[in-house]
Amino acid sequence: DAGITQSPRHKVTETGTPVTLRCHQTENHRYMYWYRQDPGHGLRLIHYSYGVKDTDKGEVSDGYSVSRSKTEDFLLTLESATSSQTSVYFCAISGVFGANVLTFGAGSRLTVL
Amino acid sequence: DQQVKQNSPSLSVQEGRISILNCDYTNSMFDYFLWYKKYPAEGPTFLISISSIKDKNEDGRFTVFLNKSAKHLSLHIVPSQPGDSAVYFCAASGSGGYQKVTFGTGTKLQVIP
Repeated sequence: DAGITQSPRHKVTETGTPVTLRCHQTENHRYMYWYRQDPGHGLRLIHYSYGVKDTDKGEVSDGYSVSRSKTEDFLLTLESATSSQTSVYFCAISGVFGANVLTFGAGSRLTVL
Repeated sequence: DQQVKQNSPSLSVQEGRISILNCDYTNSMFDYFLWYKKYPAEGPTFLISISSIKDKNEDGRFTVFLNKSAKHLSLHIVPSQPGDSAVYFCAASGSGGYQKVTFGTGTKLQVIP
């Protein structure tokens, strides 16, 4: 068990409300990632972090922001949720099995009504 | 632009037979390839990987083949077991440590007892 905890695991919200998803790791790994999984699109990278306060955009970053104030926590924020952001969100870390091998959390299912 | 493609959304195989999952990529900068397995309501788990300097990597019942000239890789599962029923994602990254990982759209494998 790589010690990755995502919260909440399930959330239903309404369009226009802010939402924050949390990823917590106990492994002290430098690199953390947020992906979303959608039918027909697989897993797509939203944002990633390579250290405290060091973050960068992935391929589908519009409408999302992230923060990393501590090594162990990586937060994903939807400032104003839209129905297109209904998805399953996965946090991942790298370095457990190799630099480019990701270890994923269990996922957070978000429904935006 | 889908840089990693899995053209078969689903595959059904009889228990005991071989399962072959295929993946194509377009980015010639990719040189490290991975397969992940995902059960419902769980995060993807790393299965097997291969570097571009190899054309085959084996781990028990799982073998990955890489054809760099064709930009094609495949995952062979022999013999297939009902517990192998899951969604399989192909993924790719560049060289060096901590590169961004790009995923395919996934193939849902059903192994029929």
